[in-house]
Amino acid sequence: KQEVTQIPAALSVPEGENLVLNCSFTDSAIYNLQWFRQDPGKGLTSLLLIQSSQREQTSGRLNASLDKSSGRSTLYIAASQPGDSATYLCAVRPSSSASKIIFGSGTRLSIRP
Amino acid sequence: DGGITQSPKYLFRKEGQNVTLSCEQNLNHDAMYWYRQDPGQGLRLIYYSQIVNDFQKGDIAEGYSVSREKKESFPLTVTSAQKNPTAFYLCASNERGTYGGDGYTFGSGTRLTVV
Repeated sequence: KQEVTQIPAALSVPEGENLVLNCSFTDSAIYNLQWFRQDPGKGLTSLLLIQSSQREQTSGRLNASLDKSSGRSTLYIAASQPGDSATYLCAVRPSSSASKIIFGSGTRLSIRP
Repeated sequence: DGGITQSPKYLFRKEGQNVTLSCEQNLNHDAMYWYRQDPGQGLRLIYYSQIVNDFQKGDIAEGYSVSREKKESFPLTVTSAQKNPTAFYLCASNERGTYGGDGYTFGSGTRLTVV
């Protein structure tokens, strides 16, 4: 059974730092992996989608990598800003049951001014 | 702009009452999903539909019901049988459901509180 883990559960860094959020999954048979951002009381905003054949995706200050063989993905945020404070969730779409994605529990990120 | 609209944003339910949460999408996506989010528990799948007039139970379907009469609409009814309905409900969609590798789009959520 696929499991998705995000460690740490919470992270606080000063403004301007580069940081990495981690996501690990137990089964490498996936269609894709998607990173989301969730602000308090709001829905999920898609940040990056990486297909299983890709190694990374970039959008602005965000870069997501995927290593299927080791079951890991990282979300790199460059030059962090207070507006980056939110919960970041990764979700894996297993190829064995493609209709249902599996979410990690998220990392709550706080950027200190 | 294309997207998913959930309404209402806040909903209050009395004990023993059924309530319906609305989810509408104009993305022309085939598949739609309902998730429940509780503090510290992450997202759990309630129901999903990959085509009009067809839907499947997710991991926590008890006490909920859905319909999919139109491609763009997937309303969720929280029945009186749901013992602990207070939660944040999220609707999502994706283009091809089981087929293909497209990502998910989420609505802004409905917060349901039992009073």
